[in-house]
Amino acid sequence: DAKTTQPPSMDCAEGRAANLPCNHSTISGNEYVYWYRQIHSQGPQYIIHGLKNNETNEMASLIITEDRKSSTLILPHATLRDTAVYYCIALSIQGAQKLVFGQGTRLTINP
Amino acid sequence: GAVVSQHPSRVICKSGTSVKIECRSLDFQATTMFWYRQFPKQSLMLMATSNEGSKATYEQGVEKDKFLINHASLTLSTLTVTSAHPEDSSFYICSARDPTAGNTIYFGEGSWLTVV
Repeated sequence: DAKTTQPPSMDCAEGRAANLPCNHSTISGNEYVYWYRQIHSQGPQYIIHGLKNNETNEMASLIITEDRKSSTLILPHATLRDTAVYYCIALSIQGAQKLVFGQGTRLTINP
Repeated sequence: GAVVSQHPSRVICKSGTSVKIECRSLDFQATTMFWYRQFPKQSLMLMATSNEGSKATYEQGVEKDKFLINHASLTLSTLTVTSAHPEDSSFYICSARDPTAGNTIYFGEGSWLTVV
């Protein structure tokens, strides 16, 4: 599975949109982009995933560039409870399909 | 999203004893589950892939005789830490692939193991 690169940390003000970037320049055509987050001392929570089209659900929006080499997770109105480590993972829909976690982005929402 | 539950959420055991952690998929059948461990301030490390009805596949460096994994049914996988030592103290997390949700993988709440 392709390697992803994320900034180690970000800050965002409460109520504003949090935009979390992820680079996956070596992503292949059959790899999805998955986003998870982990709030302190809990198991990771699935947020959203996409292949090439932009996706939106009740939690977030995922914007994938046309060349699929990068993506952005958008939390439209961040709250204090969105403070967590966010993981971007490229995952093939074929084969072993194991989620391998990098270091993620530690997002802090400030009041 | 789908629900994956772990039990116990916290456990303390004495050095040299064995402890079992259960992982259940509550609203779907999972042919594949995964076990991770996480040390403080570190990311999750994949330990093994648990396959229903067959042997688990362990990641490099993970001792299969120490971390016994059993996936006896489509909704239950267990991780047994045998002859536990203080260095096995960690946060253990399971996940399960939901075939009814595009094979999205969902995680349990995690289990804190403290070996004293």
